[in-house]
Amino acid sequence: DAGVIQSPRHEVTEMGQEVTLRCKPISGHNSLFWYRQTMMRGLELLIYFNNNVPIDDSGMPEDRFSAKMPNASFSTLKIQPSEPRDSAVYFCASGKTSDTGELFFGEGSRLTVL
Amino acid sequence: GENVEQHPSTLSVQEGDSAVIKCTYSDSASNYFPWYKQELGKGPQLIIDIRSNVGEKKDQRIAVTLNKTAKHFSLHITETQPEDSAVYFCAAPLYNFNKFYFGSGTKLNVKP
Repeated sequence: DAGVIQSPRHEVTEMGQEVTLRCKPISGHNSLFWYRQTMMRGLELLIYFNNNVPIDDSGMPEDRFSAKMPNASFSTLKIQPSEPRDSAVYFCASGKTSDTGELFFGEGSRLTVL
Repeated sequence: GENVEQHPSTLSVQEGDSAVIKCTYSDSASNYFPWYKQELGKGPQLIIDIRSNVGEKKDQRIAVTLNKTAKHFSLHITETQPEDSAVYFCAAPLYNFNKFYFGSGTKLNVKP
């Protein structure tokens, strides 16, 4: 299996622009998570989906952030409009709720907002 | 929510020595405790985990111990090697397996 695939790996954009991060989870996994990693705040859970349904989005920082999972093999995290404080590495992870609880992380999308 | 605290934030050891990283958690209902290793430029990867029905689990040079009464668990790496250098995270779930809270991470440096 190719693992969790994220794109883009790096994105540099200007403040006010829309940013869309993409994730393809591991086939057969029914849970998907978006995490944000910064030096100051560590790994923060933004939102997670179970069977394509958003279960908990309490970690989404503001209305500027939105996430969708239209099908079992694709999810997006969108920031509109972006701000410099959104600069971070965004990770997508997938897992099976019926399994051990192990999360499989992608390699992350490094976002820089100027 | 769950409060997971991890210590130390940095740890430097000589190759061959042991390293110990400790975490405490707040939710007494938590019953699954994983440890993840993150190498530079990559996502975290599970290296070992433990469930609340056991007190210790070993996998070659790594082990995890759990004290449910005190609500803390530790990662032990013996005979450290330079390739063990990475950031290590503990985690604990809230309510169920799905919502994991991560510790702040420990940067381990193994000096050759």
